Amino acid sequence: EPEVTQTPSHQVTQMGQEVILRCVPISNHLYFYWYRQILGQKVEFLVSFYNNEISEKSEIFDDQFSVERPDGSNFTLKIRSTKLEDSAMYFCASRSTDISYEQYFGPGTRLTVT
Amino acid sequence: DQQVKQNSPSLSVQEGRISILNCDYTNSMFDYFLWYKKYPAEGPTFLISISSIKDKNEDGRFTVFLNKSAKHLSLHIVPSQPGDSAVYFCAASSGAGSYQLTFGKGTKLSVIP
Repeated sequence: EPEVTQTPSHQVTQMGQEVILRCVPISNHLYFYWYRQILGQKVEFLVSFYNNEISEKSEIFDDQFSVERPDGSNFTLKIRSTKLEDSAMYFCASRSTDISYEQYFGPGTRLTVT
Repeated sequence: DQQVKQNSPSLSVQEGRISILNCDYTNSMFDYFLWYKKYPAEGPTFLISISSIKDKNEDGRFTVFLNKSAKHLSLHIVPSQPGDSAVYFCAASSGAGSYQLTFGKGTKLSVIP
């Protein structure tokens, strides 16, 4: 069964460093998302991406964040200068079509900023 | 801003009995509701969904009920099995925008053998 994959599973970085989180969505899906979950809190929407551009972003997704689909399979989230409060689980998700609401999530990347 | 609320952080149920997980929402623009199951160190797994034009959707042991007037939905698991022990998230989406999901805080279900 097709699945969303994410790498790395755990990333430790120092405050101020740049990190890139990688995702491979399900191959025939058209819509891509990043969410995050800070420990003990709810899963929060960060950004959605369709047709090679951002379609919507939350107020969390400030200028420090960027997303890219550099080729036909990868979808990346970059944090330019990490802060302690960026420590969280980051989930990538994908959705197939215009009329399908279901999103399928990857296993997540645990980002720890020290 | 809790647009989706799951007021019970945890629930314990005996194996074989019914598990009922509840969810309330405040945003009238939501027109699609989903339940996800999450094990530790894994991503949310899609379980079952319901459109706002329906009041019930069933898939095997899982049934979701929607009461639009009360802005309330529930997930029934019958019979509950130990493998159902996980955190269950209620999520909602509107047909506008990017179909982003708004999640509740989750309910941790423990099914006792």
